[in-house]
Amino acid sequence: QSVLTQPPSVSAAPGQKVTISCSGSSSNIGNNYVSWYQQLPGTAPKLLIYDNNKRPSGIADRFSGSKSGTSATLGITGLQTGDEADYYCGTWDRSLSAVVFGGGTKLTVL
Amino acid sequence: QITLKESGPTLVKPTQTLTLTCTFSGFSFSTSGVAVGWIRQPPGKALEWLALFDWNEDKRYSPSLKSRLTITKDTSKSQVFLRMTKMDTVDTATYYCALALGSGWPFWYWGQGTLVTVSS
Repeated sequence: QSVLTQPPSVSAAPGQKVTISCSGSSSNIGNNYVSWYQQLPGTAPKLLIYDNNKRPSGIADRFSGSKSGTSATLGITGLQTGDEADYYCGTWDRSLSAVVFGGGTKLTVL
Repeated sequence: QITLKESGPTLVKPTQTLTLTCTFSGFSFSTSGVAVGWIRQPPGKALEWLALFDWNEDKRYSPSLKSRLTITKDTSKSQVFLRMTKMDTVDTATYYCALALGSGWPFWYWGQGTLVTVSS
């Protein structure tokens, strides 16, 4: 059971937009920055979003992040088949004194 | 260019102790705000954070695994080590080391991971 809650799967057609939610609490998302990771099959995770809504250099602006209260959201527009991957949210939990991740969301581009 | 690479045994027996090495380059551990962490991922399952060693010499551990984990470093060799005792079959996973920097400890760079199988 992960500390951060994500939907197990989402799907959308190529070219469409999808959002992935990440729900937490005041001890984690509510009081810290959220990051998002993309894990393509058979590869290591890759940082997509940090500080809730910032993109590292080289990450397409099709990827966006937002946070409201104790929840965060990853948005992906202009979906491509190459976006099919598992997506994870993560942050620091001050009560646990631990980095916490969501359970991951599998994105299928139909 | 920042790189990290994990190394260690690919097969360990139940009850044995696992020691993994993360060899990194392209950054200095003395840089304020830098940390190296270990994360694992059982086959087909989610990421699980294990431990973090930061530039200020602070060490942090997963509460559920704290009694079994020890993270250390050798700055002269640009290496970070993770020791996990009492290995069990449920510890079979790909183990990653990664560079963390910033609030909430986002992991900016990851190693390729190393699969550790626990089996008799």
